[in-house]
Amino acid sequence: KQEVTQIPAALSVPEGENLVLNCSFTDSAIYNLQWFRQDPGKGLTSLLLIQSSQREQTSGRLNASLDKSSGRSTLYIAASQPGDSATYLCAARDNYGQNFVFGPGTRLSVLP
Amino acid sequence: GAGVSQSPSNKVTEKGKDVELRCDPISGHTALYWYRQRLGQGLEFLIYFQGNSAPDKSGLPSDRFSAERTGESVSTLTIQRTQQEDSAVYLCASSPFFGSDEQYFGPGTRLTVT
Repeated sequence: KQEVTQIPAALSVPEGENLVLNCSFTDSAIYNLQWFRQDPGKGLTSLLLIQSSQREQTSGRLNASLDKSSGRSTLYIAASQPGDSATYLCAARDNYGQNFVFGPGTRLSVLP
Repeated sequence: GAGVSQSPSNKVTEKGKDVELRCDPISGHTALYWYRQRLGQGLEFLIYFQGNSAPDKSGLPSDRFSAERTGESVSTLTIQRTQQEDSAVYLCASSPFFGSDEQYFGPGTRLTVT
């Protein structure tokens, strides 16, 4: 059974810092891995999707990498801004393309 | 266009009561998912519907939980004889089709069982 973990659980940084969020999964036979953002009282918004054949994806200040063999993905946020404050979750999708298995999330606070 | 909506946004109920949570998916989306998110934890898959096919109920934690969806319309998640451990945020998501990587989430229903 796939298990997804994320570290750190919470992170507080001053504005402008570059930061890395980590996601680990136990079963490397994934179809893809997706990073989501969750704001308080709101649903999840997809940020980046990495297919199993890809190594990384970039969108603006965000870059996500995937290393299937080691069961790891990282989300890199450049030049962080207070508006980046949210909870970031990663989700692994299995090779059958059905269920998403979510990590517990990293709660990020970017201080002005 | 309109996104996924859920109602109520908050629900406080006494232990032992039944509750019904509602999800309105994006029009035309054939796949619909229900998740549970306990405080400080990730999303826990409960059930998904794909068109008129039999739903995948493999994530439902007990027989007190049930869900319905008629065709590609509204879905309801019912929890009978609520327990305190049922307290969580219940999130609904819809996808254009089964297997799509796109999931559009609603804002969730925060359930508190006292």
